[in-house]
Amino acid sequence: EDKVVQSPLSLVVHEGDTVTLNCSYEVTNFRSLLWYKQEKKAPTFLFMLTSSGIEKKSGRLSSILDKKELFSILNITATQTGDSAVYLCAVEAPHSGGYQKVTFGTGTKLQVIP
Amino acid sequence: NAGVTQTPKFRILKIGQSMTLQCAQDMNHNYMYWYRQDPGMGLKLIYYSVGAGITDKGEVPNGYNVSRSTTEDFPLRLELAAPSQTSVYFCASSYSPLNTEAFFGQGTRLTVV
Repeated sequence: EDKVVQSPLSLVVHEGDTVTLNCSYEVTNFRSLLWYKQEKKAPTFLFMLTSSGIEKKSGRLSSILDKKELFSILNITATQTGDSAVYLCAVEAPHSGGYQKVTFGTGTKLQVIP
Repeated sequence: NAGVTQTPKFRILKIGQSMTLQCAQDMNHNYMYWYRQDPGMGLKLIYYSVGAGITDKGEVPNGYNVSRSTTEDFPLRLELAAPSQTSVYFCASSYSPLNTEAFFGQGTRLTVV
């Protein structure tokens, strides 16, 4: 069964700190890894990673994938209170039922305190 | 620019009741999805649709039905609600079939008592 494990489960940091969120996966026929930010309600898309070693960057957020180690990290530098959210990692793979199966991790809850 | 709109935002159902969760998107996306998110768990795909008139089961379809008569709308029907269906339900849509940059609705919190 496909599995996505995120760590830590939760994290409390002070504004200005740098954080690293981890995502490991076991998936058959891996296609891509996705990071989402979920604030109070709907997840919003952050990054899609398909190739090892290529860093994706958006402002203070960056992410990289290691397909050999089946691992991805999401870095947030100079954290702000607005970064407080649950960060979801998901892995996409074709399913025998004919759809693109997306397996989500349980998320890392980040709280940034002033 | 509404994006993906879900209604209602929350609902309490009694065991055995039925209801329809509404989902509409105005981005002309062909691909639409219904997920449920249980506390401390990741999102799980219930049903998906690749275009008007075409729907198929995801990982956890039992107890649910969907229809897709138009590109915009993708309602999720619960027949004979059970406590195990207490969850937060998210509808999403995307331009591509790869779930890339899927846009999510704000969620419907459903409690079955």
